[in-house]
Amino acid sequence: QSVLTQPPSVSGAPGQRVTISCTGNTSNLGAGYDVHWYQQVPGTAPKLLIYDNNNRPSGVPDRFSGSKSGTSASLAITGLQAEDEAEYYCQSYDSDLSGSVVFGGGTKLTVL
Amino acid sequence: QVQLVQSGAEVKKPGASVKVSCKTSGFTFTYYAMHWVRQAPGQRLEWMGRVDPASGKTYYSQKFQGRVTITRDRSASTAYMELSSLRSEDTAVYYCARQEMGKVGAIYHYAYEYGMDVWGQGTTVTVSS
Repeated sequence: QSVLTQPPSVSGAPGQRVTISCTGNTSNLGAGYDVHWYQQVPGTAPKLLIYDNNNRPSGVPDRFSGSKSGTSASLAITGLQAEDEAEYYCQSYDSDLSGSVVFGGGTKLTVL
Repeated sequence: QVQLVQSGAEVKKPGASVKVSCKTSGFTFTYYAMHWVRQAPGQRLEWMGRVDPASGKTYYSQKFQGRVTITRDRSASTAYMELSSLRSEDTAVYYCARQEMGKVGAIYHYAYEYGMDVWGQGTTVTVSS
């Protein structure tokens, strides 16, 4: 199982707002490590969506936002669009694993 | 433009080794750490390790320690990942991805605040007898 826990699936209708949680512990998110979020459409490589907890790379719509508090982080998507249907992964680091990169288990977003 | 172009699909027998390349272009190779991440069919992303191109220092996931070797060729702006003692569970898509390094003075250091912002297209490795 993953060090970072995400819900297996979330869903929402077009135009709605959804959030995806990422729960860790005191050796990863709670240790102050930054969290990043990736979007992966099936059959393609992941795409960086949010870095450093709440920053968007250029080209990522402002419908996507991130936040982090303590041992948890979340990704929010507003104004849901059909093209947002994808798998979403959170990523951070873990001091119990010598600072290794860790990924969440992934969350499948379905746009109804 | 910025590109990471990986080598083609591989089919290997159990016990063999595979070496995947990741040729970069469009940016200064030594300014970015290069990660290797794999994804088994229907599974989550799994980090294998990284190389800091300027120094050549490598860091590996405990899971793959002893079986994986990540190297880089600065003159060719290319990173490599070699996985040995292959088994069926190693069947996966293998990705390289870059991450910007931080800089203090003339010293580059790993920067946790940056994510993996450009990814290769993936290389499918199939392990089957």
